[in-house]
Amino acid sequence: AQSVTQLDSHVSVSEGTPVLLRCNYSSSYSPSLFWYVQHPNKGLQLLLKYTSAATLVKGINGFEAEFKKSETSFHLTKPSAHMSDAAEYFCVVSPNRDDKIIFGKGTRLHILP
Amino acid sequence: DTAVSQTPKYLVTQMGNDKSIKCEQNLGHDTMYWYKQDSKKFLKIMFSYNNKELIINETVPNRFSPKSPDKAHLNLHINSLELGDSAVYFCASSFRGANEQYFGPGTRLTVT
Repeated sequence: AQSVTQLDSHVSVSEGTPVLLRCNYSSSYSPSLFWYVQHPNKGLQLLLKYTSAATLVKGINGFEAEFKKSETSFHLTKPSAHMSDAAEYFCVVSPNRDDKIIFGKGTRLHILP
Repeated sequence: DTAVSQTPKYLVTQMGNDKSIKCEQNLGHDTMYWYKQDSKKFLKIMFSYNNKELIINETVPNRFSPKSPDKAHLNLHINSLELGDSAVYFCASSFRGANEQYFGPGTRLTVT
């Protein structure tokens, strides 16, 4: 069975400080993993994806994520937060065996001035 | 040059009415999806079509009926709307097996 757990429903950081959004997954098969961002009243935008190539994946807007198979984790990081990063972030797992992708429940990132 | 578009963006209607939401993609993808996002931001897949064929049909009331006239369009028709249908509905598209999905801007449905 496949599942994805985002460990924090809300994360608050000050502008200019590092961001860490945590995600753990469970998959019977070698999965693809994604992070999507949703700004208020907007659709979902793909930030980055892991598809069994390099374990450290760089995405847009300075975000990156590291796939750690031993820890079944795919945490999202950014060295320095910007006010425009305030949004909802979704970790997504795709088991690569069917067409369903499974969303985590989301983490709301707040940026403090 | 919008990739995945949905109409309308907002839809306010009364209980018992029938309404449709339209989705179109110009990415050349062969697979399209409908998702429901509830008030807690949780996203759940409802349906998926590949080349006009239904391939995913989650446990959704049969008041919801998707229709795909061609692989670039996937519409969602909802009969006898209920208060609990209020949500944001997202359309998405991809190449089958590619897993990376592109999302539309969403349709906020409010049932009063």
